[in-house]
Amino acid sequence: DVKVTQSSRYLVKRTGEKVFLECVQDMDHENMFWYRQDPGLGLRLIYFSYDVKMKEKGDIPEGYSVSREKKERFSLILESASTNQTSMYLCASSLSGQRNEQFFGPGTRLTVL
Amino acid sequence: AQTVTQSQPEMSVQEAETVTLSCTYDTSESDYYLFWYKQPPSRQMILVIRQEAYKQQNATENRFSVNFQKAAKSFSLKISDSQLGDAAMYFCASLTIQGAQKLVFGQGTRLTINP
Repeated sequence: DVKVTQSSRYLVKRTGEKVFLECVQDMDHENMFWYRQDPGLGLRLIYFSYDVKMKEKGDIPEGYSVSREKKERFSLILESASTNQTSMYLCASSLSGQRNEQFFGPGTRLTVL
Repeated sequence: AQTVTQSQPEMSVQEAETVTLSCTYDTSESDYYLFWYKQPPSRQMILVIRQEAYKQQNATENRFSVNFQKAAKSFSLKISDSQLGDAAMYFCASLTIQGAQKLVFGQGTRLTINP
C-alpha cells in the first residue's frame, strides 16, 4: 500500500515564525502536491512538483514556497506565518499520468496565533 | 478554468437507505477525468470512484456508483445500502488531460448516517 506521511498532525505557531511542513511518500511517485483545506472551500492547490527540484505554482501560492530535493520528500514552507494561514494542510502523491489517483497524507492542522 | 461545485454542504441518510450526492463541473476540455474522494473523520482521504469522460458507461464500485451526464456536466455519487462507516466528507474533483495533473475540488458534502 502507498503510504504518505506528514511530519505533524497538529502544529501551533506564532505570527512571523518560519514553518516547515514535511511530506514523505514511499512508493516512488513522480508527482507530489500540497493543498490547504478550509470549510466551505474544499481543497485548494498550493504547489505541486513533477520531479526532483521541479515545482509549479498552484492556485494559491502566495505566502508559501516548496522544496523537493529528494523524490520521496516534498516540503511546504511558510516564510513568515500569518493568522490567515491557519488551516488543514494535505500532502498527496501520484504516479505520472492523468488517470492515476492521488494518495493523501493524514493532514497537518496548523494554527497560527 | 475548471470549476467544480457541490451544492449540498450536508446530507444525512438512514442506515441501509440510498443517498445521492450532487456535483456539477465546468470545463472547456473534451477529455477529462472525474473523481469522488472520501475523507472520514480524522482519517486520510481515499479515492471512492473514478470516471473517464470518454466512457459513456457509469462507473461502479460495489455500493458506490455514479450518474455521469456529460452534456449537463453533472457527476453525482449514489451510495446504496448506506453503512455507518460511510459517514465522511465527500469531495468531487476533476482533472483535464490537456492541463497539468492537477485536481480541482468541489467544496465538499458532509454525509451523516443515522442508525
